[in-house]
Amino acid sequence: DVKVTQSSRYLVKRTGEKVFLECVQDMDHENMFWYRQDPGLGLRLIYFSYDVKMKEKGDIPEGYSVSREKKERFSLILESASTNQTSMYLCASSIWDRLNTEAFFGQGTRLTVV
Amino acid sequence: GENVEQHPSTLSVQEGDSAVIKCTYSDSASNYFPWYKQELGKRPQLIIDIRSNVGEKKDQRIAVTLNKTAKHFSLHITETQPEDSAVYFCAATYSGGGADGLTFGKGTHLIIQP
Repeated sequence: DVKVTQSSRYLVKRTGEKVFLECVQDMDHENMFWYRQDPGLGLRLIYFSYDVKMKEKGDIPEGYSVSREKKERFSLILESASTNQTSMYLCASSIWDRLNTEAFFGQGTRLTVV
Repeated sequence: GENVEQHPSTLSVQEGDSAVIKCTYSDSASNYFPWYKQELGKRPQLIIDIRSNVGEKKDQRIAVTLNKTAKHFSLHITETQPEDSAVYFCAATYSGGGADGLTFGKGTHLIIQP
């Protein structure tokens, strides 16, 4: 079974803090993604990575950065948290294969910025 | 970039009836269209997907149809059951074997009335 694990289920941070959200997958997947989920807006892609040290911007990268130093780990960084970044954050991973593109999601991190 | 519209946002059906959720996409290059189900408090999970070289795909009570010309695809659930209650997301992407982030619709909350 593919396992995608996010380090925290719930986080409360103060405005201006630097926040790290961690994601680890155990299936040797090349691709990893960070999505943000808000009611009525669905899932929106923040950043993705197809290899170690590689990263690509998604649809809403502003205010975020990412780090992928090891294949199994993909971190989302909020350089200076703001209240409009209060949201559910979902990490996902998938294999590099044009015929097999299923994305496996983590359980999510609900971040509240106060 | 890709834009995916999903309708309706909420769908209430009687148990045993059928449910249909519709999505349209904007990028003619998109060739992979998955559907994810998210139960309350849980992570999204893939339930069925279709590629652009196929017009219809079935898996027991669920089916997906794709009309490439009109750029729309639909999820059909027959003989609905209480466990079908969830939020359903459609998505689209170009799958060329790389890390292609999915563009999601905003979701449909399916309610099965007993």
